[in-house]
This record gives sequence, structure tokens and C-alpha cells, in this order.
Amino acid sequence: DIQLTQSPSFLSASVGDRVTITCRASQGISSYLAWYQQKPGKAPKLLIYAASTLQSGVPSRFSGSGSGTEFTLTIISLQPEDFATYSCQQLNSYPRTFGQGTKVEIK
Amino acid sequence: EVQLVESGGGLVQPGGSLRLSCAASGFSFSFYWMSWVRQAPGKGLEWVANIKQDGSEKYYVDSLKDRFTISRDNAKNSLYLQMNSLRAEDTAVYYCASLPGFRGPFDYWGQGTLVTVSS
Repeated sequence: DIQLTQSPSFLSASVGDRVTITCRASQGISSYLAWYQQKPGKAPKLLIYAASTLQSGVPSRFSGSGSGTEFTLTIISLQPEDFATYSCQQLNSYPRTFGQGTKVEIK
Repeated sequence: EVQLVESGGGLVQPGGSLRLSCAASGFSFSFYWMSWVRQAPGKGLEWVANIKQDGSEKYYVDSLKDRFTISRDNAKNSLYLQMNSLRAEDTAVYYCASLPGFRGPFDYWGQGTLVTVSS
């Protein structure tokens, strides 16, 4: 099984900050990686797929990059509504594993 | 508007069974792969199973494949998850999600249904 390790697991940031979350895969997954945002009590929401393609309707302050085993999600100028948990998921092979999540909290 | 609405969750005793349903609307259900994902209280997301558009291919996480069965009824725009021999560790919110292809991301999600396994 492919393991996904996100870092950090917890992040404290202020409105306006630039935030970067890393997702490392235990083996190469090409660009078959998605990022999701989840707020408490809500379903996950797709932000980015194919490592760097922004899902329709997602603000352009979100961006993704990487391929192979290392990926990043970047939020430029963090907004109040961005405080949430972010999870990566690999879509290269089964089982479709998720990272453990990164919780972004207000500093 | 795409809608996925799960139902069928609730309190069940250890060893019991439960069948979850997911009603889809607002998109061509029969054209999409579908998936179940669960999330235990305070934990991360865990992929459970995927099913192809016509139901001919099914994939499961190894730890659940002997107890859980994914199915669909395209005539009813519905997805199902049959869960047997339930254990306390199966307690979670169960989400259904749609996928635009074999390696598609999970682009739409339901609101989830809570399954609690307890005596």
C-alpha cells in the first residue's frame, strides 16, 4: 500500500499568511494526487486534482505542485474561511489512501 | 445541482449489520464511478470501496473486504454499502462520493451518515 505522510500535522497561522503543506508518498504516484479541505462537521471538499489542477470554483489563492513522491499545497494570503483540515489522497493505485491531515488553525 | 444524500446510519450492536444508501441527483449517476469513505471520530479519512459505473469492478480496502459490500442500482440512482459483522472500530461517519473516472478525484461528497457500533 502507498503511504502518504503530510507535514506538518498542525499549523498555526494568521490571516494573510502564506501557508505550505507537504504530502510525501512512499512510492511514486506520478501526478495522481488530490487535495481536500474539510471543516468541522462537514464533508470534504475537493480543492486540487492531478497534483496541480484547481477544481472549478476554488479560489486561485490555492495552488498545488509536485509529482512522483513529493507534493505541496500552497495557500497564498490565508483567509478566515481557510481555517480547516487539509488532506491529500493518492489516486494512482488501490487502496486509495489519504494522508493523515493537516489542521490549519488561527494564530 | 449535484446532490448525494446518505442514509441508513444509526446505532447497531457489535456483530450486527447495516445497509447504507446514497441517493444521487443532479448528474448522470450511471456515468460515474462511486466510492465510500469513512471517518472515525476525531480521525482522518479512510477510503472504504469503489465501484465502476456498471458495477462490474469493485475495489475494497483489504481490512474490510470480507465484511463490507459495495453495490449500486443505476435505475434508482443509488449507491449502497452492506456492512456485516460490525465492530466498535467501524464507528464512523460514512460518506459517499462520486468520481469522474478510474483515477478520478472524489469531486462530490454527501453530507455523511453516522454509524455507531456499541452495546
